[in-house]
Amino acid sequence: GAGVSQSPRYKVTKRGQDVALRCDPISGHVSLYWYRQALGQGPEFLTYFNYEAQQDKSGLPNDRFSAERPEGSISTLTIQRTEQRDSAMYRCASSPQISNTEAFFGQGTRLTVV
Amino acid sequence: AQSVTQLDSQVPVFEEAPVELRCNYSSSVSVYLFWYVQYPNQGLQLLLKYLSGSTLVKGINGFEAEFNKSQTSFHLRKPSVHISDTAEYFCAVSSVSGGSNYKLTFGKGTLLTVNP
Repeated sequence: GAGVSQSPRYKVTKRGQDVALRCDPISGHVSLYWYRQALGQGPEFLTYFNYEAQQDKSGLPNDRFSAERPEGSISTLTIQRTEQRDSAMYRCASSPQISNTEAFFGQGTRLTVV
Repeated sequence: AQSVTQLDSQVPVFEEAPVELRCNYSSSVSVYLFWYVQYPNQGLQLLLKYLSGSTLVKGINGFEAEFNKSQTSFHLRKPSVHISDTAEYFCAVSSVSGGSNYKLTFGKGTLLTVNP
């Protein structure tokens, strides 16, 4: 595609439900990063992949959060048993190089847990 | 560990006035430096970056920034702003030798509002 695509753009879910957020990176981009952005803050690192391998998940808040990128392209961030504190903008970025000197961001998914 | 401080959360200016958005960083290793812009309901867009070489870098839409290693700063400037520059601006750093984790560490952002 022309850019990084994230879906859904908006998600409202009830506390305790599981949600899956999708990121479709620019074709051929090797690195994919997930960030979370709370209101009034900058994005914060969650996890990243080089190709299909998850390299670092140290930014994931707890074990309810997981991510995968099974074929080195589309990635899914899953949040189990959602809580109100999970409400935030979730951003995905892809880069053509591992050095990530040119990251392209999607429009984000606004998650609201009620 | 790295951190980024954007000293101003909001900067209001009049159209055609100059503007400077301040960014300071802290890092124990060499860094790459970036400025991103976020227009309403859009994703983050790369404005400019410093990787190496000349400390004055020019970006899109007439913006420029200067890397000052001694002051650990990377301030963003534009000599004459337009209404269309109204947006939120984020300064970010990443480690030059991140192993393979070149994650971006962002500041909290500066909301630039250009008034007529």
